[in-house]
Amino acid sequence: DAGVIQSPRHEVTEMGQEVTLRCKPISGHDYLFWYRQTMMRGLELLIYFNNNVPIDDSGMPEDRFSAKMPNASFSTLKIQPSEPRDSAVYFCASSLDRAPLTRDTQYFGPGTRLTVL
Amino acid sequence: RKEVEQDPGPFNVPEGATVAFNCTYSNSASQSFFWYRQDCRKEPKLLMSVYSSGNEDGRFTAQLNRASQYISLLIRDSKLSDSATYLCVVRGTYKYIFGTGTRLKVLA
Repeated sequence: DAGVIQSPRHEVTEMGQEVTLRCKPISGHDYLFWYRQTMMRGLELLIYFNNNVPIDDSGMPEDRFSAKMPNASFSTLKIQPSEPRDSAVYFCASSLDRAPLTRDTQYFGPGTRLTVL
Repeated sequence: RKEVEQDPGPFNVPEGATVAFNCTYSNSASQSFFWYRQDCRKEPKLLMSVYSSGNEDGRFTAQLNRASQYISLLIRDSKLSDSATYLCVVRGTYKYIFGTGTRLKVLA
């Protein structure tokens, strides 16, 4: 299995530009998670999907952030317009949850390192 | 209060030493517990799940204390390759909550 795939791996953009991050989860996984990691705040959950449906987006910082999952094998996280404080590593993760009480764990992609100038 | 709290460290230990990390969580309804390892500029990767009875994987031992709401990770005979950040992860019904991590540096 190729694991979780993210693109691009690095993105440098200027303030005000639109940024789109992409994720392909592990085939067959029911859940997809978007995280942001910074030195100051650690790993923060932004949003997660179950069977392509957004379940909890309470971690999305503001309206500039949006996420979609048009099908089981693809998700995007968009920032429009981007700001310097959005600079972080964005991780996508997926998991197979057969039931709430299982020990299914998350598998992370390599991340996208975003720098907004 | 954060949902999952860890001592950020760093813990600097000599090769061969035994080191222990603790993590506390606030939600008593939490159902599953994990330790992840994250190397510099890499993604987090599962190190081990934590079971109620405690479990061991080679040099690594994990313990869960539900009454006091903490989990621990013990590393015996530390290797240089153990240098990384260790993330405590607590799972509720569907969400995974990550601690900010404890940084370990094993010195030659």
